Amino acid sequence: TQLLEQSPQFLSIQEGENLTVYCNSSSVFSSLQWYRQEPGEGPVLLVTVVTGGEVKKLKRLTFQFGDARKDSSLHITAAQPGDTGLYLCAGTGTASKLTFGTGTRLQVTL
Amino acid sequence: KAGVTQTPRYLIKTRGQQVTLSCSPISGHRSVSWYQQTPGQGLQFLFEYFSETQRNKGNFPGRFSGRQFSNSRSEMNVSTLELGDSALYLCASNMIGSSYNEQFFGPGTRLTVL
Repeated sequence: TQLLEQSPQFLSIQEGENLTVYCNSSSVFSSLQWYRQEPGEGPVLLVTVVTGGEVKKLKRLTFQFGDARKDSSLHITAAQPGDTGLYLCAGTGTASKLTFGTGTRLQVTL
Repeated sequence: KAGVTQTPRYLIKTRGQQVTLSCSPISGHRSVSWYQQTPGQGLQFLFEYFSETQRNKGNFPGRFSGRQFSNSRSEMNVSTLELGDSALYLCASNMIGSSYNEQFFGPGTRLTVL
């Protein structure tokens, strides 16, 4: 079974602060995605990374895929209340099965 | 293009009953996956259907079943409901042939079992 552990589980910060969320596994993934889920809604795809060492930027969000394709990070610069939500990483591994991470719940306050 | 739709959005059932949830994927998407989301267990994969056939299955008991119709719409059924089945059930569609298994989720059905 491929597991994806996210840390931290919970994060409460003030507007303007920076933060990093980690997604770690002992398994190799062919690709890894990040989703954000807001209360009462389904997860929304933010980005997909596929190459070891790849870095992608989406406005204030920076996503990195580890060199060995076993881990990933999401860095948010100058967080805003609109960034509040549950962040989920998800990796595609053997048999093209998608495994979701344990989730990081982010709260950004004014 | 319309997104993934799920009906109903909310359901309240009692133990022992059964329930059927419905999902309509994005037009052109032929793969539909179902997930269960709970605070304790997170997002867990139930099963995936493609061309009316179950392609992958997660580790859930046989009380959980699903099917897909020729128009790609899907239903999942839970029989003999237990309190622990209370969860958000999410459906996601995927365009087979896209490279990276990217999932497009619906808003979910919130099931409460009393």
